[in-house]
Amino acid sequence: AQSVAQPEDQVNVAEGNPLTVKCTYSVSGNPYLFWYVQYPNRGLQFLLKYITGDNLVKGSYGFEAEFNKSQTSFHLKKPSALVSDSALYFCAVRDPRGSTLGRLYFGRGTQLTVWP
Amino acid sequence: NAGVTQTPKFQVLKTGQSMTLQCAQDMNHEYMSWYRQDPGMGLRLIHYSVGAGITDQGEVPNGYNVSRSTTEDFPLRLLSAAPSQTSVYFCASSPSFTGQGTACTFGSGTRLTVV
Repeated sequence: AQSVAQPEDQVNVAEGNPLTVKCTYSVSGNPYLFWYVQYPNRGLQFLLKYITGDNLVKGSYGFEAEFNKSQTSFHLKKPSALVSDSALYFCAVRDPRGSTLGRLYFGRGTQLTVWP
Repeated sequence: NAGVTQTPKFQVLKTGQSMTLQCAQDMNHEYMSWYRQDPGMGLRLIHYSVGAGITDQGEVPNGYNVSRSTTEDFPLRLLSAAPSQTSVYFCASSPSFTGQGTACTFGSGTRLTVV
């Protein structure tokens, strides 16, 4: 069965410091992996995705994510956090095959707080 | 602006009432879906559609109906509202289920309270 785990409900980091939001997944086959961000009272916005190719994926707003197949992880990273990065972050995996084509499976979300 | 439009943004219902949450997209996307977001639960899939006339159940379909008569619209119906359906509902679309590397575009959500 497909699933996504975000082991941390909250991540707190000082502005200017690097940040990491963790995500691990479980799928049968090669995964399509996504990160979305949600600001208060808004819908989800796409940040970046991994489909194939380079394990380091760069996305919007200076974020990047590293795909690690052996550890089944897809951690979101940013070298220098901004207060405006404070938001709820979701990792998601797309079912690559079978009867549930196109379905996205979401983690429970990680609240990132960047303090000045 | 192109995107996914959800209406209404807010709604309060009494237990037992019915209503329809509207979702429309103008990007000619084949794939549309409905999620509910509850604190600590992430997003859970209610129903989805891979094209006009084709729908299927997600993780939490009970109490909800959908139909897809056109490519653009994917309404979600609550047949008899219950307090357990208090949630934030998001509609999402993507170009094609066969292009599974494409990201979904989300609407801004409908905040539903059932009293």
